[in-house]
Amino acid sequence: DTGVSQDPRHKITKRGQNVTFRCDPISEHNRLYWYRQTLGQGPEFLTYFQNEAQLEKSRLLSDRFSAERPKGSFSTLEIQRTEQGDSAMYLCASSLALDRGDETQYFGPGTRLLVL
Amino acid sequence: TQLLEQSPQFLSIQEGENLTVYCNSSSVFSSLQWYRQEPGEGPVLLVTVVTGGEVKKLKRLTFQFGDARKDSSLHITAAQPGDTGLYLCAIRNGGFKTIFGAGTRLFVKA
Repeated sequence: DTGVSQDPRHKITKRGQNVTFRCDPISEHNRLYWYRQTLGQGPEFLTYFQNEAQLEKSRLLSDRFSAERPKGSFSTLEIQRTEQGDSAMYLCASSLALDRGDETQYFGPGTRLLVL
Repeated sequence: TQLLEQSPQFLSIQEGENLTVYCNSSSVFSSLQWYRQEPGEGPVLLVTVVTGGEVKKLKRLTFQFGDARKDSSLHITAAQPGDTGLYLCAIRNGGFKTIFGAGTRLFVKA
């Protein structure tokens, strides 16, 4: 299967700890997105990369959050000093951007974070 | 206030019944997407509607984009347990960011 993969699938941590999630996009997809989804809501945009460049960050992404895509392939999302409000599903998506027109975003299965 | 309002929030029906879920907004969109998300998985794109009044069919699913391109509906005929999931409508903002509604959670009982 060559879909988007995320690791870990589940993470339980204590408040104040740092966590890091990994996303492996579909091979050759140049765009990569991170979303957060809380219970009863749709996914909310966090940030996106075009190749290795981070081009947009949501206001939801506080200073405790940092995302990287160092070689334009996989990406990591780190949350420092986690808070209980960070508990959510973190979704990654990738797409192949064409010159014009909507490209399809393919989502990974997500990492479910629980902060105790 | 959500940009996209979905209704109902939750729907539980018997296998074989028909249903319609709605996605409404006060804004006009160039296109609108519908996704289905199963428990423990990411959303999967079902369809993109572009033209006002457009109707698209995907097996037992019928999607309609409102004439004014402010709203959309999803109709499922003869629902099956495999249709169970969270149905999300979404719009693309700025060509890359996707904004989702809160979704309609559908449960189809056998």
